[in-house]
Amino acid sequence: AQKITQTQPGMFVQEKEAVTLDCTYDTSDQSYGLFWYKQPSSGEMIFLIYQGSYDEQNATEGRYSLNFQKARKSANLVISASQLGDSAMYFCAMPRLRGSARQLTFGSGTQLTVLP
Amino acid sequence: NAGVTQTPKFRILKIGQSMTLQCTQDMNHNYMYWYRQDPGMGLKLIYYSVGAGITDKGEVPNGYNVSRSTTEDFPLRLELAAPSQTSVYFCASSLGGTSGRRAKNIQYFGAGTRLSVL
Repeated sequence: AQKITQTQPGMFVQEKEAVTLDCTYDTSDQSYGLFWYKQPSSGEMIFLIYQGSYDEQNATEGRYSLNFQKARKSANLVISASQLGDSAMYFCAMPRLRGSARQLTFGSGTQLTVLP
Repeated sequence: NAGVTQTPKFRILKIGQSMTLQCTQDMNHNYMYWYRQDPGMGLKLIYYSVGAGITDKGEVPNGYNVSRSTTEDFPLRLELAAPSQTSVYFCASSLGGTSGRRAKNIQYFGAGTRLSVL
């Protein structure tokens, strides 16, 4: 069975500083991947970044980067130069094979608040 | 770019009423999904579809039905609404399938439907 754990229910960061959101996972799959999604107060789910276990380098997408440590089973999201618009709920998710598709298993989320 | 469009955005139902949540995507994705998000929780999969005419159950299918007559549309039906179905419902789509490749795995979400059953 797969499990995604986000241990930080809430985080605060000062504008322009970097912040790391934690995500640990448990899976028996040999090949797997990790997603991060952002959910602002308006409610939509926005894809941020993805990394597969077979990728050798940590993924980056603009100000977002993934600190992927397979030995520790962690895939932390790093947001550099935080902006007020980064205030949102952040979810870590892992695709899990279900029948003929891949279901996303989500963590419980981290509420990030960026302070001016 | 419309992406994934869900209607309605909000709805209040009485216990026992029925309704259909609409979802349409214009990205020509084969795979579509319905998730629900309860307060303070991550999303749970209700149903999914791998193409027109093919649907299958997810983690929490009880009380729901789906159909997929076209590639674009994937409606979710609640037949006898119950208070336990009060939630936010998200529709998503992806290129597909079981491949581990990044592009095929990314699921794109609609803005959600907030449903209250009273």
